[in-house]
Amino acid sequence: GAGVSQSPSNKVTEKGKDVELRCDPISGHTALYWYRQSLGQGLEFLIYFQGNSAPDKSGLPSDRFSAERTGGSVSTLTIQRTQQEDSAVYLCASSAAFGQLPGGYTFGSGTRLTVV
Amino acid sequence: GESVGLHLPTLSVQEGDNSIINCAYSNSASDYFIWYKQESGKGPQFIIDIRSNMDKRQGQRVTVLLNKTVKHLSLQIAATQPGDSAVYFCAETPSGNTPLVFGKGTRLSVIA
Repeated sequence: GAGVSQSPSNKVTEKGKDVELRCDPISGHTALYWYRQSLGQGLEFLIYFQGNSAPDKSGLPSDRFSAERTGGSVSTLTIQRTQQEDSAVYLCASSAAFGQLPGGYTFGSGTRLTVV
Repeated sequence: GESVGLHLPTLSVQEGDNSIINCAYSNSASDYFIWYKQESGKGPQFIIDIRSNMDKRQGQRVTVLLNKTVKHLSLQIAATQPGDSAVYFCAETPSGNTPLVFGKGTRLSVIA
C-alpha cells in the first residue's frame, strides 16, 4: 500500500481481556517494527521482524505481549490479560530492509489502546 | 484528537522566528541520527537525518547539527510556521542493525 496501515485506530477494552492490534506495512518492506508511546513518554521499542529471521523480542515488557508476522507482510501484536498500564498508543513502522538507512522508518498512525 | 505527550518540554515561538530544538543522547557508539515530527493523532514523520561523520546537514527550512564531543543534536527550523506545531523527536542508532532509540520529545507551539 501507499503507507503503513494500522487497525483499529482506537480500542477500548476491559482489564483482563485480550486484544489484537494489526499492522499492514508498505508493500515490499521487509523490516517491521512495533513501538509503544505512553503519555508524556518517547517511543519505546517492543519488537522487530526482518524477513524470515527470528524476531527480536527484546523490548517486549512482559510475556503477556507477543507478535506475529505472517507471510512476511501483515503483523499482529497481541496483548493478553490487559492491564491499565498497557494503555498507550501502539505504533508500527516498516523500512525497506533492516539496516538499510538512511531514511529511517515509515510509521503508521498508531492504535490508541485504553484499558478500563 | 487527544495530544500525545502532555508533559513534554514545550518550546513556544512566534511565527516567522527561528526555532531550535535540542536533544542529548547517551550512546557514544551511535552512528546515525534522525529527527521526526509527530502531529496530533498521527505517527512520526521523517524530517532529516545525519550520520556521525558529518556535523551539519541542511534540508528545506531545517538544519540538523551534531556535536559528538558533547553528544548533542539540534534541529533548527527557519521561519517557523503554524504548520510546524508538533512534537519533535530525535532518534539514534549505533548501526542499521539496531532499532532506533527515541528521545522523549519536545512540543513546539507556534504563536501566530
